[in-house]
Amino acid sequence: EAGVAQSPRYKIIEKRQSVAFWCNPISGHATLYWYQQILGQGPKLLIQFQNNGVVDDSQLPKDRFSAERLKGVDSTLKIQPAKLEDSAVYLCASSPPSNDEQYFGPGTRLTVT
Amino acid sequence: GEDVEQSLFLSVREGDSSVINCTYTDSSSTYLYWYKQEPGAGLQLLTYIFSNMDMKQDQRLTVLLNKKDKHLSLRIADTQTGDSAIYFCAESLTDSWGKLQFGAGTQVVVTP
Repeated sequence: EAGVAQSPRYKIIEKRQSVAFWCNPISGHATLYWYQQILGQGPKLLIQFQNNGVVDDSQLPKDRFSAERLKGVDSTLKIQPAKLEDSAVYLCASSPPSNDEQYFGPGTRLTVT
Repeated sequence: GEDVEQSLFLSVREGDSSVINCTYTDSSSTYLYWYKQEPGAGLQLLTYIFSNMDMKQDQRLTVLLNKKDKHLSLRIADTQTGDSAIYFCAESLTDSWGKLQFGAGTQVVVTP
């Protein structure tokens, strides 16, 4: 079974630029999560989708971050414009309909200079 | 700071047992999880325990749960160099289905 796929794996941008990350969850997984992991910290949930609807985006900085999951499968997370403090690893996870077990992708490491 | 607290670092000799401790906040948490993160990789689910259990054993891993003290521990028997990683404790939050609150992680270094 293929795992959660993410791309790109690494991205370096200058502050005020825009960036987008892509995630393809495990086939059949209805729930998709985006996390931000700052160096030395645990992952922090940004947004949770159930199929193509948003369940929780209370921690998403909506003035600069946006996410979508239009067809209930793939998802993109966008930052526009980026700030230095957005430097982090962005992790995507998915879970099946039957339980809460979350399976994580390898993450995208973003460096904002 | 993190609501879920873990010690930051643990050094252990190969072949010894490792014990990683965690305290959590939501007394109504349904599930508590242990994840492993190796350098440059995502998080790998190691094991979890349901809140009505005191202990769960899975091969070399033993999870102990003390609900009264909101304390969770992970014991790794016969620790190997491949066990060197960061270990995260996470609790499921009862006010939001599927939402996990993670600790800051415990870096485990296994020395030969």
